[in-house]
Amino acid sequence: DAKTTQPPSMDCAEGRAANLPCNHSTISGNEYVYWYRQIHSQGPQYIIHGLKNNETNEMASLIITEDRKSSTLILPHATLRDTAVYYCIVRVYSFSGSARQLTFGSGTQLTVLP
Amino acid sequence: DTEVTQTPKHLVMGMTNKKSLKCEQHMGHRAMYWYKQKAKKPPELMFVYSYEKLSINESVPSRFSPECPNSSLLNLHLHALQPEDSALYLCASSQPRDGNQPQHFGDGTRLSIL
Repeated sequence: DAKTTQPPSMDCAEGRAANLPCNHSTISGNEYVYWYRQIHSQGPQYIIHGLKNNETNEMASLIITEDRKSSTLILPHATLRDTAVYYCIVRVYSFSGSARQLTFGSGTQLTVLP
Repeated sequence: DTEVTQTPKHLVMGMTNKKSLKCEQHMGHRAMYWYKQKAKKPPELMFVYSYEKLSINESVPSRFSPECPNSSLLNLHLHALQPEDSALYLCASSQPRDGNQPQHFGDGTRLSIL
């Protein structure tokens, strides 16, 4: 699975959009970009994933550049409860064979400030 | 609320004790995972079960013994652990021929070895 690079920490004002960048310059054509977050003392929570098109769900939006070498997770209106470590993970998908693990990087500590 | 349930939430044990961690999911997933997370570090894979068979063992010491008695349950048997084994142990599940399906995590068991 391709390696990802994220800033170690970011701050965001409550109510503003939080934009979390991720670099995955070695991504392959069959690799998805996944985002998870981990709030203190909880397990990782799935947020969103995408291949090459932008994606949106009730939690966030995922913007993937045309060359797929980077992406941005957008939390449109950050709240204090969004304070967490955010992990960007690149993972090969396969419709055959055994399950594959997630390989976590160091992630970004997002702190939402009141 | 998580759909993957782990028990106990906290466990303190001595180095000579034998204990087990339990994980249960009712999402019909046929792949289950154990991850280990040390403080301020990302989760690291330990084991993967696919269709109730062990498919990946990341060179985990034999004092950790996984078991998958059926498609909904995953156990991790612990024996003669060391203080450095103190960590958060996370269970996850997904579809094994997972295409682009995400893994779902429990909130973990926080293990302390005295």
